[in-house]
Amino acid sequence: DAMVIQNPRYQVTQFGKPVTLSCSQTLNHNVMYWYQQKSSQAPKLLFHYYDKDFNNEADTPDNFQSRRPNTSFCFLDIRSPGLGDAAMYLCATSRPDRKETQYFGPGTRLLVL
Amino acid sequence: QKEVEQDPGPLSVPEGAIVSLNCTYSNSAFQYFMWYRQYSRKGPELLMYTYSSGNKEDGRFTAQVDKSSKYISLFIRDSQPSDSATYLCATTNSGNTPLVFGKGTRLSVIA
Repeated sequence: DAMVIQNPRYQVTQFGKPVTLSCSQTLNHNVMYWYQQKSSQAPKLLFHYYDKDFNNEADTPDNFQSRRPNTSFCFLDIRSPGLGDAAMYLCATSRPDRKETQYFGPGTRLLVL
Repeated sequence: QKEVEQDPGPLSVPEGAIVSLNCTYSNSAFQYFMWYRQYSRKGPELLMYTYSSGNKEDGRFTAQVDKSSKYISLFIRDSQPSDSATYLCATTNSGNTPLVFGKGTRLSVIA
């Protein structure tokens, strides 16, 4: 089955220790998204890629970076996690002409100690 | 005013009840209206998608959009315990505008 896979499902890191979350997809979609979702809140878009074209949301902190080495993989790097970065991180994909239909991975829950 | 407002609930109903979930939005340029369902500890999945005003039905689910009042609804008929999840409304317009999500309404259907 075509899908979006995120690893790890749960990540514990220490305050200030860099962490990388990964996402892969078998849908061959051009567009990949990273969202941050805190408890009982709406998913918040951090950035998205149209192929290799990187689009950063204006209010995404510099602490968050991303890499997309190929169509299938995308990484979220948090350079110096703070306590406020504890959240669920969701990866999603879509066709470029169908952004309303996004396919989400199961998410990575990040805990910062 | 937030772009999309959604009552977070929680909403608890008995099995078989009709459920009504609602959102309001502020940007009249929004044209695409979606409902995503998110089970606990899972990512959201697209449930319904509507373009512009009107109704759309899919099995037990009906999505309704009233652009004049900027109001979107999801109705679930004959609700089942398996419908217990958080329901997120989302909207956008054409072009590069990202999806704007509501906070989600947590629904519990009690057997």
